[in-house]
Amino acid sequence: QLQLQESGPRLVKPSETLSLTCTVSGGSISSSNFYCGWIRQPPGKGLEWVGSIYYSGSTYYNPSLKSRVTVSVDTSNNQFSLKLTSVTAADTAVYYCAKITAAGTVEYWGQGTLVIVSS
Amino acid sequence: EIVLTQSPGTLSVSPGERATLSCRASQSVSSRKLAWYQQKPGQAPRLLIYGASSRASGIPDRFSGSGSGTDFTLTISRLEPEDFAVYYCQQYGSFPITFGQGTRLEIK
Repeated sequence: QLQLQESGPRLVKPSETLSLTCTVSGGSISSSNFYCGWIRQPPGKGLEWVGSIYYSGSTYYNPSLKSRVTVSVDTSNNQFSLKLTSVTAADTAVYYCAKITAAGTVEYWGQGTLVIVSS
Repeated sequence: EIVLTQSPGTLSVSPGERATLSCRASQSVSSRKLAWYQQKPGQAPRLLIYGASSRASGIPDRFSGSGSGTDFTLTISRLEPEDFAVYYCQQYGSFPITFGQGTRLEIK
């Protein structure tokens, strides 16, 4: 059974960079059918697609965040990562890592990690 | 960007009854690329329906999806206690991928 687990700092200061890592077990992110990405959910609010990366290396970022977000893959450790620069309180959210189907639906989710942006 | 508007915001239904949730898109969703997710408190969402009407693996047949173009519906035919949750629609036919704001299904 595929499992995903987010890790990283839970508290980030305004203007700094949010960095999260997703560790995948039960499957290889090097396989051709492995697409992965990040989705976030501010407390008490809805879901927002942050960014995703495909086995070819191509990336897709939400235009509302595009200038600040980077998603990358570390196949040697079966992990992928999210970096979000210049954060503000509006970036406070539960961040989910996810395995995405080729079509774009979310097949597997991590449990989510709450990241708070505060000084 | 395709904006998805879900209605109602909150739906109160008794167990055993039928629930009908709506998702309306601001423009046509390509190739019926519309999905539905269920989210319970403190949990990640779970995929229920993809392609507007195909059930994901392990999803009971009391969940059904329909619609095309700009109007989509999720129907839960006989509500079980575990079905009370928040439901989100998602369009994945065009970038950026977007979600609706959610419908909370509560016990009446």
